[in-house]
Amino acid sequence: NAGVTQTPKFRILKIGQSMTLQCTQDMNHNYMYWYRQDPGMGLKLIYYSVGAGITDKGEVPNGYNVSRSTTEDFPLRLELAAPSQTSVYFCASSLAGGDTQYFGPGTRLTVL
Amino acid sequence: QKEVEQDPGPLSVPEGAIVSLNCTYSNSAFQYFMWYRQYSRKGPELLMYTYSSGNKEDGRFTAQVDKSSKYISLFIRDSQPSDSATYLCAMRDSGTYKYIFGTGTRLKVLA
Repeated sequence: NAGVTQTPKFRILKIGQSMTLQCTQDMNHNYMYWYRQDPGMGLKLIYYSVGAGITDKGEVPNGYNVSRSTTEDFPLRLELAAPSQTSVYFCASSLAGGDTQYFGPGTRLTVL
Repeated sequence: QKEVEQDPGPLSVPEGAIVSLNCTYSNSAFQYFMWYRQYSRKGPELLMYTYSSGNKEDGRFTAQVDKSSKYISLFIRDSQPSDSATYLCAMRDSGTYKYIFGTGTRLKVLA
């Protein structure tokens, strides 16, 4: 039981490039979340999903897209990367809404 | 005013001390409260989960909620160097399953 896994661990992008951050959970959780964590700013919710095929915006969705074709996977897509997207990105999952959220190890992204 | 306020620290204490970590909040509708521990360059992991007011104890950790003061605390007894981490509070009301996170308090326990 690996829990929540994220790839890659680190990535450097140039301005304008695109990439996908991968997130997979093996706990059969219905809810999945993407957060970004900036120094001194806490965790901000980017997008979330309540089940396969259903996604919705969080607090800071601009510049990102998501999809949820399976229960296990919840990739986050960055289009036209900008320096403001330099951050640490965490994926999380929970069995139901409001339940304990289990976090992945994070992806550290730098946009230059 | 932020919905959830947390002193960023760092808070340095000697090994064996009792540590008190706190969050204040402005939304009186918050009812569900969590404390997460985050080691450097790792994801947050859940420490304590409490509902409404009162205390909850788990080993060396005690979570306390004072809804009248809009104040929550996490106490760590007999602190150890392995407790050195950033502690995040998170909370929500019953009308949503989205949590609001504090900015985290960095704790250093000195051997």
